[in-house]
Amino acid sequence: GNSVTQMEGPVTLSEEAFLTINCTYTATGYPSLFWYVQYPGEGLQLLLKATKADDKGSNKGFEATYRKETTSFHLEKGSVQVSDSAVYFCALNTGFQKLVFGTGTRLLVSP
Amino acid sequence: DAGITQSPRHKVTETGTPVTLRCHQTENHRYMYWYRQDPGHGLRLIHYSYGVKDTDKGEVSDGYSVSRSKTEDFLLTLESATSSQTSVYFCAISEGTGTGVQPQHFGDGTRLSIL
Repeated sequence: GNSVTQMEGPVTLSEEAFLTINCTYTATGYPSLFWYVQYPGEGLQLLLKATKADDKGSNKGFEATYRKETTSFHLEKGSVQVSDSAVYFCALNTGFQKLVFGTGTRLLVSP
Repeated sequence: DAGITQSPRHKVTETGTPVTLRCHQTENHRYMYWYRQDPGHGLRLIHYSYGVKDTDKGEVSDGYSVSRSKTEDFLLTLESATSSQTSVYFCAISEGTGTGVQPQHFGDGTRLSIL
């Protein structure tokens, strides 16, 4: 079946550190891949997406590359800020406009 | 921000009572979804709708029913609430038009506690 595996959190970093949050997936066919972010007390917001192999999604300094050979879509940012503290979800579409989400990774950034 | 309103935002009720959560959108999007969010599980799809009166089950649909009589409203009902349904519930919408996969836009959630 379709599934998404994310690294366990929390990920704790100091401001300006480099961020990587790992995401791997299992899917039939060629899914589109997404990263969503959830700030405290809010719903999820789309952060970036990639629709085919080797595509790179980017937004607000975050980026992720769709790697078909390793079935991965790792999220990276070169220099995190305190305001990036949130929960990050990797997701894939299963067709018919439905998404399957990973369990989420909490990021805590300290000054 | 996508125009999605969930109501109520918070609710506490007792086991065995019926509960209805409402999702209202102003975007005229075709697809609407109900998810629940629980620690260690991420978001799981309960039910979704691909048009007025067109709905289908997600991965955790047992104990839930939905209705969509108008494009803008999608109701989630717990006929007889149980403590295992204590969760945060999110509504989402997507356009469902054009080619390719459309991103989903989320409401701010309803925190439901069943005692």
